[in-house]
Amino acid sequence: EVQLVESGGGLVKPGGSLRLSCAASGLTLSNAWMTWIRQAPGKGLEWVGRIRSKTEGGTTDNAAPVQGRFTISRDDSKNTLYLQMNSLKTEDTAVYYCTKEYYGSFDPWGQGTLVTVSS
Amino acid sequence: QSALTQPPSASGSPGQSVTISCTGTSSDVGAYNYVSWYQQHPGKAPKVMIYEVSKRPSGVPDRFSGSKSGNTASLTVSGLQAEDEADYYCSSYARNSYVFGTGTKVTVL
Repeated sequence: EVQLVESGGGLVKPGGSLRLSCAASGLTLSNAWMTWIRQAPGKGLEWVGRIRSKTEGGTTDNAAPVQGRFTISRDDSKNTLYLQMNSLKTEDTAVYYCTKEYYGSFDPWGQGTLVTVSS
Repeated sequence: QSALTQPPSASGSPGQSVTISCTGTSSDVGAYNYVSWYQQHPGKAPKVMIYEVSKRPSGVPDRFSGSKSGNTASLTVSGLQAEDEADYYCSSYARNSYVFGTGTKVTVL
């Protein structure tokens, strides 16, 4: 069974940085296309970005609102996905989920980690 | 990239059917067959119910079905059950990115 467990969320001031982690079991992350999706409190889902598998070059794509501020990476030795978030804004406040991209869909999902950007 | 348009709410009595629409553009829903649907219960992570427009993952009841016509995709839940009460989101691939729908709250009366 594939399990994804996010961690690293918390309270951070505007302009600050935070790194989220997503530890995987039952899945080799280097072989997968992995995605971060967020959900602001009481709002809908928003695609944040993705990293391709190692065989596809490991390149990344980011959504326009986070381009230049957020970076997705992977540590194959730890089988862990990361989301480095810099220059955080109040509108980045959300639950952040990691998930595996599969034929244009997302499955499974982690339980999410809450990031709150507030002074 | 603008969010796909879904009705805010839908409802039906147990045993009835409900259909949720998801309207995009010729750059997302209309361009690709990578439309998927997610069910989300309060406080829980989303769960995929339909992928590639009309395919059901293993374990998803056949009461859930999907379709697409032009720039609009649809999710139909037949034989509504109490546990189907949840928020539903559509998603579409859109050239190196994805866009989600605005979400629909389904109420079982």
